[in-house]
Amino acid sequence: QEKVQQSPESLIVPEGAMSSLNCTFSNSASQSIWWYQQHPGKGPEALISIFSNGNKKEGRLTVYLNRASLHVSLHIRDSQPSDSAVYLCAVSDTNAYKVIFGKGTHLHVLP
Amino acid sequence: GGIITQTPKFLIGQEGQKLTLKCQQNFNHDTMYWYRQDSGKGLRLIYYSITENDLQKGDLSEGYDASREKKSSFSLTVTSAQKNEMAVFLCASSINRGNTEVFFGKGTRLTVV
Repeated sequence: QEKVQQSPESLIVPEGAMSSLNCTFSNSASQSIWWYQQHPGKGPEALISIFSNGNKKEGRLTVYLNRASLHVSLHIRDSQPSDSAVYLCAVSDTNAYKVIFGKGTHLHVLP
Repeated sequence: GGIITQTPKFLIGQEGQKLTLKCQQNFNHDTMYWYRQDSGKGLRLIYYSITENDLQKGDLSEGYDASREKKSSFSLTVTSAQKNEMAVFLCASSINRGNTEVFFGKGTRLTVV
């Protein structure tokens, strides 16, 4: 059964800094890994996904995946107060229908 | 675009009561999910369904029933509400397999008194 662990639980950064969030998963054969953003009172919304080893950039976001070490990271360049939210890492199980989420990282960007 | 509508937004129940949460999606997605979100515990999968009339148990299915009578709707029943229980239940859908983007509703907030 897939397990997803995220760190840190909480991250505080000043405006303009780089925010770095980590996620480890238990099965190297997992399908795509997704990052979601959740603001208070709202449902999570997808930010970016990655399937192959390496990195992927979209705007201020960069994701790095290393399947051998079962690790994926999300980096937000030039963090803004509006980026303050909970960030959830999600991995689909080997059956590919079941999607498992980590507990999330609370990001606070101070103006 | 599409939308996932969850009803009700807020649900207050009594201990031992059977409570039903409803979810509708107009994405025409095959797969639907119910997650429970508790503070500090992330999202835990209760049930999912890969097509109409299909039901699959997640990691937290005990104490819940689900029903997928139509492709567009997925309901969740709390079979016996636990006193002082407080959580947000999130309904979601994806076009097919879980390695595609999952779209979420805004949630139903449950309080049991």
